[in-house]
Amino acid sequence: DAGVIQSPRHEVTEMGQEVTLRCKPISGHDYLFWYRQTMMRGLELLIYFNNNVPIDDSGMPEDRFSAKMPNASFSTLKIQPSEPRDSAVYFCASSFSGGSTSGYTFGSGTRLTVV
Amino acid sequence: TQLLEQSPQFLSIQEGENLTVYCNSSSVFSSLQWYRQEPGEGPVLLVTVVTGGEVKKLKRLTFQFGDARKDSSLHITAAQPGDTGLYLCAGASWAGSYQLTFGKGTKLSVIP
Repeated sequence: DAGVIQSPRHEVTEMGQEVTLRCKPISGHDYLFWYRQTMMRGLELLIYFNNNVPIDDSGMPEDRFSAKMPNASFSTLKIQPSEPRDSAVYFCASSFSGGSTSGYTFGSGTRLTVV
Repeated sequence: TQLLEQSPQFLSIQEGENLTVYCNSSSVFSSLQWYRQEPGEGPVLLVTVVTGGEVKKLKRLTFQFGDARKDSSLHITAAQPGDTGLYLCAGASWAGSYQLTFGKGTKLSVIP
């Protein structure tokens, strides 16, 4: 398996524009997580899915953020409109059966810069 | 909200030295994981510890879970430049938990 695949690796956009981040989890994993990483706050959980169903989105900063998982092999995180404070590295991770012992497999991340 | 405090925040050592980094909480975790993250990449799982007092070894890395399952340590013997990276601990609050709490990490630099 190629691991968790995220695209794009880098995204530079202007304030107010829509940004869509993409993720392909590992085949067979039933949990998918979206995290945001900054120097100040570390890794923050934004939302997670179980069997394509959103379970907890309490970490989503505000209504500008939305996430979907239309099928077991694809998820998107959308920011509309984007703001400079959204600049961060966004990670997608997947796991089998919750990951409390097997752990998470992370993608390489998308570095988002909003100017 | 369960918090994991990692110390030190930054550590710079010479190749060949030994080091220990710590992960502490006031909460009990059913399991604790350590990850290493290299620049430009996502975290990669190193180990999971489950039982209080458990010790696991991975080559030159030794991981210990505290008896009360509230803290953990990572000891590296004879550090090498390839050990450079951000070390993150993550705790699961109950067995089968689908949500991990991450610490902010210890950034380790090993100078040749």
